[in-house]
Amino acid sequence: GAVVSQHPSWVICKSGTSVKIECRSLDFQATTMFWYRQFPKQSLMLMATSNEGSKATYEQGVEKDKFLINHASLTLSTLTVTSAHPEDSSFYICSARPTGGGTEAFFGQGTRLTVV
Amino acid sequence: RKEVEQDPGPFNVPEGATVAFNCTYSNSASQSFFWYRQDCRKEPKLLMSVYSSGNEDGRFTAQLNRASQYISLLIRDSKLSDSATYLCVVNEGGGNKLTFGTGTQLKVEL
Repeated sequence: GAVVSQHPSWVICKSGTSVKIECRSLDFQATTMFWYRQFPKQSLMLMATSNEGSKATYEQGVEKDKFLINHASLTLSTLTVTSAHPEDSSFYICSARPTGGGTEAFFGQGTRLTVV
Repeated sequence: RKEVEQDPGPFNVPEGATVAFNCTYSNSASQSFFWYRQDCRKEPKLLMSVYSSGNEDGRFTAQLNRASQYISLLIRDSKLSDSATYLCVVNEGGGNKLTFGTGTQLKVEL
């Protein structure tokens, strides 16, 4: 099946620093990718929809200036958590669907962010 | 009311048992439905899509009731390896957005 690679798997950073998370579709092109956040014992919450070559669409309550999304190519989207705070500590997961094909969404392995 | 609602469990069942999970969704315009499996600290993985006519994949059976806005997953002959969180996922309106339930935790025991 299709593969989505997400890096890093986990990161620990200090408050105030920025962290970049990469999401790559390895064997398909994805015009659209999605970024989710999951807190312990909660469901995945969609943060934003990343669109290749254009601005991301953010869900209500998600600060676009804090969570910077770049989708520069059909196989790569990045999420940068800027000026991270301890409350940003969470499990961040990206997903993608092949452009023009099927309804299944493929997920990256997730990034566990801990801000100290 | 949550868009997709599930009983969080946990459901503790003995190996070999049959167990069923339910899920309700609020948006009657929802078009696609899925069950995903998520292991602890891992990404979700598609278990099966859910079709109006119901569908079966080995020990797993999924049912959809559009009138009641209700989805179910039945697992027969539970294995230890079935222990995971099962996520009910709904695609609203045919777009790309997926809405996840909070998940139902299953623990299969010896």
